[in-house]
Amino acid sequence: DAGVIQSPRHEVTEMGQEVTLRCKPISGHNSLFWYRQTMMRGLELLIYFNNNVPIDDSGMPEDRFSAKMPNASFSTLKIQPSEPRDSAVYFCASGRPGGSGYTFGSGTRLTVV
Amino acid sequence: AQSVTQPDIHITVSEGASLELRCNYSYGATPYLFWYVQSPGQGLQLLLKYFSGDTLVQGIKGFEAEFKRSQSSFNLRKPSVHWSDAAEYFCAGWTQGGGADGLTFGKGTHLIIQP
Repeated sequence: DAGVIQSPRHEVTEMGQEVTLRCKPISGHNSLFWYRQTMMRGLELLIYFNNNVPIDDSGMPEDRFSAKMPNASFSTLKIQPSEPRDSAVYFCASGRPGGSGYTFGSGTRLTVV
Repeated sequence: AQSVTQPDIHITVSEGASLELRCNYSYGATPYLFWYVQSPGQGLQLLLKYFSGDTLVQGIKGFEAEFKRSQSSFNLRKPSVHWSDAAEYFCAGWTQGGGADGLTFGKGTHLIIQP
C-alpha cells in the first residue's frame, strides 16, 4: 500500500498562473478530501468527494478554486488564477465513509510569488 | 456549531517526562474522536481513535487517550516522551450529518521536547 500520493511535493508559481495539484487515493477508499493548512487558519476542509461525486464544497474559498475527481483513483485541485494568499500546504486524504479515520498524503507546499 | 478545541498552542516537556495534551469538543451528539500527529514537512498520521465502548483507547507509539463525556474531553497522554515525539498534534472530531462529512480539526498543539 503506497498510501495517498500527492504531486508535486513543492510548487512555486507566479501570481496569476494556473496551478494544478494532484492526488491518488488509497485503492478501496471511496471518500476523498482536500484540506488546506496555514499558520493562521490551521487545517481547513476545502471539499470532499464520495464515490467520485463532490458532496460538499462549501470550504472552497472562491471561484478561483475547483476540484475534480474523474475516477476513483485520481483527483485534482486547481487554482486559476493563483494569488499570493493561496500559499499554503494542501493535503489530500482518503478514507471509507463513516468517519473511520482518514489517511493523509504528504501534502503539496504551494508558494505563489 | 461543532468544534474541537485544543487550548494549548505550545507544550514543552522534558524528555522522559509524562505528557498530556488537552482536547475539548462541542457536538450535539458524541462524535468519533481522533488524534493525529504531524512531523515537520509531513502529512498527518493517525495515532488513535475513539468510536464507542472503552473510554481509554490505546494508539501507536505508546500514546493513549481517554474519553470523558462529563468533561467533553479527549486528552492524549504518554507516560514517557522521547525526543522523536516532538511534532504538531491535532485532535479531530466527526459526526455523521454534521455538515461536511470531513473531520473537524483543532488548531493543533506544538510539542517541544527539551533534553
